[in-house]
Amino acid sequence: AIQLTQSPSSLSASVGDRVTITCRASQGISSALAWYQQKPGKAPKLLIYDASSLESGVPSRFSGSGSGTDFTLTISSLQPEDFATYYCQQFNNYPLTFGGGTKVEIK
Amino acid sequence: EVQLVESGGGLVQPGGSLRLSCAASGFTFSSYEMNWVRQAPGKGLEWVSYISSSGSTIYYADSVKGRFTISRDNAKNSLYLQMNSLRAEDTAVYYCARGVGYVGATTSWFDPWGQGTLVTVSS
Repeated sequence: AIQLTQSPSSLSASVGDRVTITCRASQGISSALAWYQQKPGKAPKLLIYDASSLESGVPSRFSGSGSGTDFTLTISSLQPEDFATYYCQQFNNYPLTFGGGTKVEIK
Repeated sequence: EVQLVESGGGLVQPGGSLRLSCAASGFTFSSYEMNWVRQAPGKGLEWVSYISSSGSTIYYADSVKGRFTISRDNAKNSLYLQMNSLRAEDTAVYYCARGVGYVGATTSWFDPWGQGTLVTVSS
């Protein structure tokens, strides 16, 4: 199974900060990567698919990049509603797998 | 509005069985692949199972293979997960999630997700 390693596992940031989260795959997955946001007690929400395609309705401060084994999710200017846990997911092959998550907390 | 609503969760003893359901609305259910994804309390996300739009192709995570069975009824716009021989480590919130992906591919990302149903396996 393809392992996805997210870093950091948690971070503290202030409103307005630029935040970058990294997801590394144990083998190449082309651009078959998605990013989700999850708030406490809620279901995950799709942000990015195909490594860099922004889901409809998601604010443009979110962006994704990368291919092969190294990927990043960037929030250009952190907003109060962005404090949440973020997960990457590979859909290159089965079993589909997720990264361990990155919790973004208020500084 | 696209909506997925899970039901059927609850408390069950180790070794017991439970059947989860997911009612879909707001889209042509029979045209989409579907998945179950779970999340143990305080932990990350784990994909559980996939079923193609017709039901002809099915995949399972190794952790549930041989114990769980995914199925669907396109006439009822419903997805199911039959869970047998339940273990404490199966305790989790179970989400159904629509699969979205490239035309002709069987792999996908998930959008949207249901609100989840909690399964607790304990004596």
